[in-house]
Amino acid sequence: AQTVTQSQPEMSVQEAETVTLSCTYDTSENNYYLFWYKQPPSRQMILVIRQEAYKQQNATENRFSVNFQKAAKSFSLKISDSQLGDTAMYFCAFMKQWSGAGSYQLTFGKGTKLSVIP
Amino acid sequence: NAGVTQTPKFRVLKTGQSMTLLCAQDMNHEYMYWYRQDPGMGLRLIHYSVGEGTTAKGEVPDGYNVSRLKKQNFLLGLESAAPSQTSVYFCASSEWALAGGTDTQYFGPGTRLTVL
Repeated sequence: AQTVTQSQPEMSVQEAETVTLSCTYDTSENNYYLFWYKQPPSRQMILVIRQEAYKQQNATENRFSVNFQKAAKSFSLKISDSQLGDTAMYFCAFMKQWSGAGSYQLTFGKGTKLSVIP
Repeated sequence: NAGVTQTPKFRVLKTGQSMTLLCAQDMNHEYMYWYRQDPGMGLRLIHYSVGEGTTAKGEVPDGYNVSRLKKQNFLLGLESAAPSQTSVYFCASSEWALAGGTDTQYFGPGTRLTVL
């Protein structure tokens, strides 16, 4: 079974500054996907960024980027130029690559509550 | 496109009552999922479906049933609600990725259910 650990229950950052959220995972799989989802107070789960394990290049989406360290099983999210709208819960999630059997389950961490301070 | 929608947004039940949550998606996705989110925890998979007419159990299926009679709809039923089922329920859907894995899951807005 896979586990996802987010060791920072809460973080805060000044507007326009940079913040990094940590995520580690445990798996025996070699092929998988990793995701960061954002959940603002509206409760909607919004995809922020995704990474395929077979890709060595770190994924980036505008102000969001990841540091994917496969050997260390680490997948951190960096938010640059933080904005007030970035205030939300951030969840790290893991998904096995389909192999013909088994579930398509997303395994989530417990989340990190990020507050952006004006 | 509306994406993934859920009905209702809020519901309060008494112990032993039954109800059905409806999830609808207009993206022609093959895969649909039901998750629950409890305080201090990430989402956990209840049931999922890999296509019309199919369902399968996830991590926490007990006390729930599901049906996928139409490709665009995925229903979650509680036959006899219990206080332990108080939670926020999320539906999600995804495409089939030909490269050999499922594609990104897109979530609905959630349903807050309270069982007294």
